Amino acid sequence: EAAVTQSPRNKVAVTGGKVTLSCNQTNNHNNMYWYRQDTGHGLRLIHYSYGAGSTEKGDIPDGYKASRPSQENFSLILELATPSQTSVYFCASGTGNTEVFFGKGTRLTVV
Amino acid sequence: GDSVTQKQGQVTLSEDDFLFINCTYSTTTYPTLFWYVQYPGQGPQLLLKVTTANNKGISRGFEATYDKGTTSFHLQKASVQESDSAVYFCALNYGGSGNKLIFGTGTLLSVKP
Repeated sequence: EAAVTQSPRNKVAVTGGKVTLSCNQTNNHNNMYWYRQDTGHGLRLIHYSYGAGSTEKGDIPDGYKASRPSQENFSLILELATPSQTSVYFCASGTGNTEVFFGKGTRLTVV
Repeated sequence: GDSVTQKQGQVTLSEDDFLFINCTYSTTTYPTLFWYVQYPGQGPQLLLKVTTANNKGISRGFEATYDKGTTSFHLQKASVQESDSAVYFCALNYGGSGNKLIFGTGTLLSVKP
């Protein structure tokens, strides 16, 4: 079964600190995505990747960086975390115009 | 730009009621359309998918029909159960490479026993 694993599942960070959210997929999918979910906004795309070494900006990339060192791993990096980045973050993987598989999410609180 | 609109933030029904969740979209292409369902503590998971080739998706008793004329993609179920309580998102693949999805804001369905 397709599997996307996110870590950590919960994180409390201080304003101005650096935060790294990690994602691993065992689906061998080329495409990976980072979304954030906020009430009233649904899921919004932050960054995505076509494969190892590639990262692309999504719809709301400001304040975030991404890294895809391998087919399996895709990280989201907040260099200077702010309270407005408090949210639930989802990683996903997919290929072509087919189903996208999501992880269980990371709840990030920036205080 | 491409967009998806779900106006119903919350729907409360009783078991065996009929479900209808409205979704409209705006795009310059003929996208593939999806409904995702999210249970508490989980990520969204695919419920059904519809393309311009098949026009209708059916899964687990849920049905959605792609209507290009009204640019709508409503979700229906004849008889809901308490286990259907979840958040439902419609989404479209807004084309280009990368299979990017744009999501609606979601509809929280609560089904009372």
